[in-house]
Amino acid sequence: QKEVEQNSGPLSVPEGAIASLNCTYSDRGSQSFFWYRQYSGKSPELIMSIYSNGDKEDGRFTAQLNKASQYVSLLIRDSQPSDSATYLCAVYTGRRALTFGSGTRLQVQP
Amino acid sequence: EAGVTQFPSHSVIEKGQTVTLRCDPISGHDNLYWYRRVMGKEIKFLLHFVKESKQDESGMPNNRFLAERTGGTYSTLKVQPAELEDSGVYFCASSQDRRKNSGANVLTFGAGSRLTVL
Repeated sequence: QKEVEQNSGPLSVPEGAIASLNCTYSDRGSQSFFWYRQYSGKSPELIMSIYSNGDKEDGRFTAQLNKASQYVSLLIRDSQPSDSATYLCAVYTGRRALTFGSGTRLQVQP
Repeated sequence: EAGVTQFPSHSVIEKGQTVTLRCDPISGHDNLYWYRRVMGKEIKFLLHFVKESKQDESGMPNNRFLAERTGGTYSTLKVQPAELEDSGVYFCASSQDRRKNSGANVLTFGAGSRLTVL
């Protein structure tokens, strides 16, 4: 079992729709959760972090964490073509550095 | 503030040759990490420096890989001799001292060094 699992996609949504990206993790002791966005050929860029159960909103982005289900998600409202990228879920267990999922490729259709 | 800088951006070498990748972290960041992404796979942890000390090198694939961070500033990652399976993008990331950053480990990544071994 992979430590952090994501659907590779591509996830295709029309412009203006809500994009929902999901991630599950295996280590129940995981403490911190991050979403990075990576455009093709560029570095991963942190867009959201979440540390406790519930929702955290930042502009068009909402991160949701459910530790009981070992599940973290990212919602992107009013999706724009510029949101098209690979979204990486990363988990920190406290024992070593961040562990990444393989990423979900999002395509926002104009 | 300058970000994390990596050099070279792309290196093409033949199997058996040596390559050295360099990373300059954000000034003042004690933590420096090397990650690697092989095509189609997830970004995988290689090792973690705290200042000049190796905190965790459990992700280093084998002894052909050598990482150093002399003086606790920039870091180098040497691959010698390179093999075909070493091809991928090598990312460097840095973060502040964890004690100063509750929630831990907000990493800032460099643009990566793409290594192609022929």
